[in-house]
Amino acid sequence: AQKITQTQPGMFVQEKEAVTLDCTYDTSDPSYGLFWYKQPSSGEMIFLIYQGSYDQQNATEGRYSLNFQKARKSANLVISASQLGDSAMYFCAMGTRGGSYIPTFGRGTSLIVHP
Amino acid sequence: DVKVTQSSRYLVKRTGEKVFLECVQDMDHENMFWYRQDPGLGLRLIYFSYDVKMKEKGDIPEGYSVSREKKERFSLILESASTNQTSMYLCASSPDPATQSKGYTFGSGTRLTVV
Repeated sequence: AQKITQTQPGMFVQEKEAVTLDCTYDTSDPSYGLFWYKQPSSGEMIFLIYQGSYDQQNATEGRYSLNFQKARKSANLVISASQLGDSAMYFCAMGTRGGSYIPTFGRGTSLIVHP
Repeated sequence: DVKVTQSSRYLVKRTGEKVFLECVQDMDHENMFWYRQDPGLGLRLIYFSYDVKMKEKGDIPEGYSVSREKKERFSLILESASTNQTSMYLCASSPDPATQSKGYTFGSGTRLTVV
């Protein structure tokens, strides 16, 4: 069975600072993908970034980067230069080949960016 | 630029009513999904569909059914609504799982309250 763990229910960061949101995963499948989604108060889930299990380099998308440490089974999201609009729920998810790549989601981390 | 549309943003229904939640996507995606989201539990998969007239149970299918008569439309049905089905319901779509790097596209969600 696959499992995603987000241990930080809530995080606070000052505007323009960087923040790391933690995510660990557990799977025995060698082929998997890791995702991060953002959910603002409006409710819509927004896809941020993807990392494949065979990717050698950490994924980056603008101010988002995924710190992929395969041996530790962690896939932390790093947001650089936080903005007020980054305040939202953030979900880590994993899809495995054995699970038809359908994502299993973590419980989420609430991020609040202070001015 | 709307891609996944859920017909209702908020719904209030009575216990025992038959409830239909509608989802339409305009991206010609093969795969569609229904999740429910509850505080502290993240997203849990109810049902999914890889093709027209095809459906597969997710992790929590009890009390729900689905219908996919056309490629673009995926309906979630609560045959007899109960108070424990009060939740946020999120519809999503994706192309072939082999292109999972693009993530899922979600609708804005339907917040259902059963009284």
